[in-house]
Amino acid sequence: SQQGEEDPQALSIQEGENATMNCSYKTSINNLQWYRQNSGRGLVHLILIRSNEREKHSGRLRVTLDTSKKSSSLLITASRAADTASYFCATDLYNTDKLIFGTGTRLQVFP
Amino acid sequence: EAQVTQNPRYLITVTGKKLTVTCSQNMNHEYMSWYRQDPGLGLRQIYYSMNVEVTDKGDVPEGYKVSRKEKRNFPLILESPSPNQTSLYFCASGRKGLGTEAFFGQGTRLTVV
Repeated sequence: SQQGEEDPQALSIQEGENATMNCSYKTSINNLQWYRQNSGRGLVHLILIRSNEREKHSGRLRVTLDTSKKSSSLLITASRAADTASYFCATDLYNTDKLIFGTGTRLQVFP
Repeated sequence: EAQVTQNPRYLITVTGKKLTVTCSQNMNHEYMSWYRQDPGLGLRQIYYSMNVEVTDKGDVPEGYKVSRKEKRNFPLILESPSPNQTSLYFCASGRKGLGTEAFFGQGTRLTVV
């Protein structure tokens, strides 16, 4: 069963706009990670937020985590055409060794 | 260069013909895992391993086998492939504890006819 689900499934924006995607999960976690995938290639790690953290920044990325709502959001500010990709959240389930991925958000940034 | 290497990158095979997809990492990672990716379903975990000789089922293990005889290698074996195993497969590795990032291979696109 899928642990994480991203919303929206697809997002189209213009360069310079901000992109926000959300992830909801079902069970308790140790941490939550966001990954990026370009067109069928391998996933690349973007950022990790631990269950005791509420917000984290990395360059143009801002991640929030609300463990009470079992949800996270990824904000990409001042988006570029090169940000066009699919974005996945992944949860490291509490008391297990599993890393479970969501279904992904497909982001298209138009120049 | 730190990397996870999968081979082959593309494979077309016939139903029932045993195949192996290899995965090797050069980062001395304890954790390795196999995922399959299908449209609309995201990545689903097939098997994972926390160390040599230790493997566990993920969410979709049916029809697959794995082994972890050496730390760097984690092959995925399809003893009798079927068309519903046509998919994009990814191998990943990471440090033990999973509180760190996973590194992914470039993927193997498998078609079973």
